[in-house]
Amino acid sequence: EIVLTQSPGTLSLSPGERATLSCRASQSVSSSNLAWYQQKPGQAPRLLIYGASSRATGTPDRFSGSGSGTDFTLTVSRLEPEDFAVYYCHQYGSSPRTFGQGTKVEIK
Amino acid sequence: EVQLAESGGGLVQPGGSLRLSCAASGFTFSSYWMHWVRQVPGKRLVWVSRINSDGSSTNYADSVKGRFTISRDNAKNTLYLQMNSLRAEDTAVYYCVRDRLEGTYDALDIWGQGTMVTVSS
Repeated sequence: EIVLTQSPGTLSLSPGERATLSCRASQSVSSSNLAWYQQKPGQAPRLLIYGASSRATGTPDRFSGSGSGTDFTLTVSRLEPEDFAVYYCHQYGSSPRTFGQGTKVEIK
Repeated sequence: EVQLAESGGGLVQPGGSLRLSCAASGFTFSSYWMHWVRQVPGKRLVWVSRINSDGSSTNYADSVKGRFTISRDNAKNTLYLQMNSLRAEDTAVYYCVRDRLEGTYDALDIWGQGTMVTVSS
């Protein structure tokens, strides 16, 4: 099973700042089958990025994904008030599919 | 509008059974692989099970193998999860989720609102 480890656990930033979230895999993620999700309290997760770097429909272009192999990054270029949430990475190239433990982006 | 709506959650005693349903609308349900993913509130998401588009192939997490059964009725646009021999550690919100691409695996792009399952005496 591929273990995904996200860092940091919590990111305290102000609106307008840049957020950089990391996701490290215990083994190489095949074909960059890595996605990022945003989850707000009481809501289901929302797909932001798939294929490591492709934005899902409706994802603002301030969100970008990068990386390959075992190291992946989600960057939010300038945080908007609605971006404060928990973010999860997810690998779907190997069974069982696995998720990271999440990074909470909170208002400083 | 593309939607998934779960139902069937509730309180059940350890060792009991529950069947979750997920009604799909707004897309060609029979073309997509479907999943169940669960989450203890405040904790990470955990993949539970997957079924291919025609129901001929299924996969399960080790933690539920032999106890849970995923199935689908494409004529009714409905996904199911039969949960038997429930344990306290199965307590979670259960999400019905769709793969992004038709006929193959991909990221999970459409999520239901979730249904809470609580296993307690």
